[in-house]
Amino acid sequence: AQSVTQPDIHITVSEGASLELRCNYSYGATPYLFWYVQSPGQGLQLLLKYFSGDTLVQGIKGFEAEFKRSQSSFNLRKPSVHWSDAAEYFCAVGANQAGTALIFGKGTTLSVSS
Amino acid sequence: GAVVSQHPSWVICKSGTSVKIECRSLDFQATTMFWYRQFPKQSLMLMATSNEGSKATYEQGVEKDKFLINHASLTLSTLTVTSAHPEDSSFYICSARDGSSGAYNEQFFGPGTRLTVL
Repeated sequence: AQSVTQPDIHITVSEGASLELRCNYSYGATPYLFWYVQSPGQGLQLLLKYFSGDTLVQGIKGFEAEFKRSQSSFNLRKPSVHWSDAAEYFCAVGANQAGTALIFGKGTTLSVSS
Repeated sequence: GAVVSQHPSWVICKSGTSVKIECRSLDFQATTMFWYRQFPKQSLMLMATSNEGSKATYEQGVEKDKFLINHASLTLSTLTVTSAHPEDSSFYICSARDGSSGAYNEQFFGPGTRLTVL
């Protein structure tokens, strides 16, 4: 069965420091992978996605993620965090099959300290 | 880009009443829509999958008679919470898949609806 694990429930990073949010997935074939961000009381905003091709994907707001098949990981990175990046981050996996729902990790709360 | 709207964005109702939430794809045809529920500080949990013109498929543990889903057109799906109770209070989010996107399983999310049952 598909599953997504985000090992870190809460992370605090100083403003200007680098960030890495971890995501591990379990899936039998090549998955579709996504990172979403959610601000309090808001919906989801897609940061980036991986379907195939280059394993390093660039997203919005300066985020990037790297797909590592050998480690079943899709970690999200940002070289310099801004206070506005404080939010909830969700990693999700989807099957390579149209019409199937996404499976979400439990999320990582990012706090940014000044 | 593909836009999905939800209405209302928030609703407060009395226990025992029914509430309808609409999910619309504004600039594409959504052959499949998904309904998720998110409790505070938790992740999104899939409730059901609806395909246009057919009955919704509910996840295990979700009462289909309580959460009525209708996907009558390619741009509109509705979720009706019948006889709502305080434990139904949650954040409900829909997503829609663009029917022209081929094999790629990209979905577009609505902004969510906050339901509070008193």
